[in-house]
Amino acid sequence: EEQLVESGGALVEPGGSLRLSCAGSGFSFSSYEMNWVRQAPGKGLEWVAYIHHSGSPIYYTDSVKGRFTISRDNARNSLFLQMTGLKVEDTAVYYCVRDDRDGYVDDPFDVWGQGTLVTVSS
Amino acid sequence: DIQMTQSPPSLSASVGDRVAITCRTSQDIKSDLGWYQQKPGKAPKRLISYASILQRGVPSRFSGSGYGTEFTLTIRSLQPEDFATYYCLQHNDYPITFGQGTRLEIK
Repeated sequence: EEQLVESGGALVEPGGSLRLSCAGSGFSFSSYEMNWVRQAPGKGLEWVAYIHHSGSPIYYTDSVKGRFTISRDNARNSLFLQMTGLKVEDTAVYYCVRDDRDGYVDDPFDVWGQGTLVTVSS
Repeated sequence: DIQMTQSPPSLSASVGDRVAITCRTSQDIKSDLGWYQQKPGKAPKRLISYASILQRGVPSRFSGSGYGTEFTLTIRSLQPEDFATYYCLQHNDYPITFGQGTRLEIK
């Protein structure tokens, strides 16, 4: 079964840092592009960041540029999101999402993890 | 940025009804749009890719149409399990953007 499992969510104070992880299994992780998408409590979905299967290019939504860093370790089938300078408005469930628009199977945003909750509060 | 306008924001319908949800984009995205269903406390599930391709395992009462700037998700003969929130997503350009969501409720 193709699966993504996020971890690392926690309660953190404003200005703090956190590192989210996402473990992929059941598919060739290194062949797929990956994204982070978040959802604030009771709100809609917001795309956060993208990384190509090779590690480059990388894209971010404007509100996290300079504060968040997406990365991956294909040897460990893992995706990461390093978050620094956290703000109250970063409070959300963060989803890891598989993607392929680069021609491997051409299947965008198809598999989603179950999400991990990040709460930024004092 | 590509702006997404999804309508209606909420919809009340009965089992057996046919409903349609629309997503309009601020610029031409060809067919680079997907539709997702989300139930409370769960991750979104993709229903439709590239505007009209039904995902394997998704019931045929779901269908997608449209190209360019206007897209529609149609659900015919609503079933109890279809009451959920629906989102469109465009992946034609960065930043990737979602519609605001449509909450489908039981009348």
